[in-house]
Amino acid sequence: DAGVIQSPRHEVTEMGQEVTLRCKPISGHDYLFWYRQTMMRGLELLIYFNNNVPIDDSGMPEDRFSAKMPNASFSTLKIQPSEPRDSAVYFCASSFGGYGSTDTQYFGPGTRLTVL
Amino acid sequence: RKEVEQDPGPFNVPEGATVAFNCTYSNSASQSFFWYRQDCRKEPKLLMSVYSSGNEDGRFTAQLNRASQYISLLIRDSKLSDSATYLCVVNTGANNLFFGTGTRLTVIP
Repeated sequence: DAGVIQSPRHEVTEMGQEVTLRCKPISGHDYLFWYRQTMMRGLELLIYFNNNVPIDDSGMPEDRFSAKMPNASFSTLKIQPSEPRDSAVYFCASSFGGYGSTDTQYFGPGTRLTVL
Repeated sequence: RKEVEQDPGPFNVPEGATVAFNCTYSNSASQSFFWYRQDCRKEPKLLMSVYSSGNEDGRFTAQLNRASQYISLLIRDSKLSDSATYLCVVNTGANNLFFGTGTRLTVIP
């Protein structure tokens, strides 16, 4: 099992540029989560999907952030335009829905984003 | 008030020591509880779930106190490889997982 795959692993960009982060969940998992981690705020849930449908996007900081899941094996998180305060590690996680197993989330290696 | 609060540490302990972390949560309706481990510059990984009756996995013991709304993690006979950040995680329902900011542990030779 390849686990959750994220790309790129590192991204350095300039303020105002568009950034697209990608995620491939574990095959068979029907929940997908996007998190952001910073030293100050820890790990924050941005949005999550169930069966490719966005369920809760209340954690998305503002309209500059958008996420899509066009199919069960792919999701994107886009920031446009990016700002220095968006610098963080962005994690994608997936889990298998079902009684007793929904809660175990498997995280990808993360994308370390730096906005100059 | 934060959903989940942890002492950030750092906790610096010698090899072989016993160390305990506590974590408090604010939502009394929280349904399930976990400890995740995160190594430096790595992703969080599930360490163990926390059950109402308390549970043990080798050197690790997790306990839940619903009345006082806290969970704990006890590590016995600390190893160098236990050095990491330990994240307290609370599920308030409907996949609402809240992560604490983590407690950093360094085990010293």
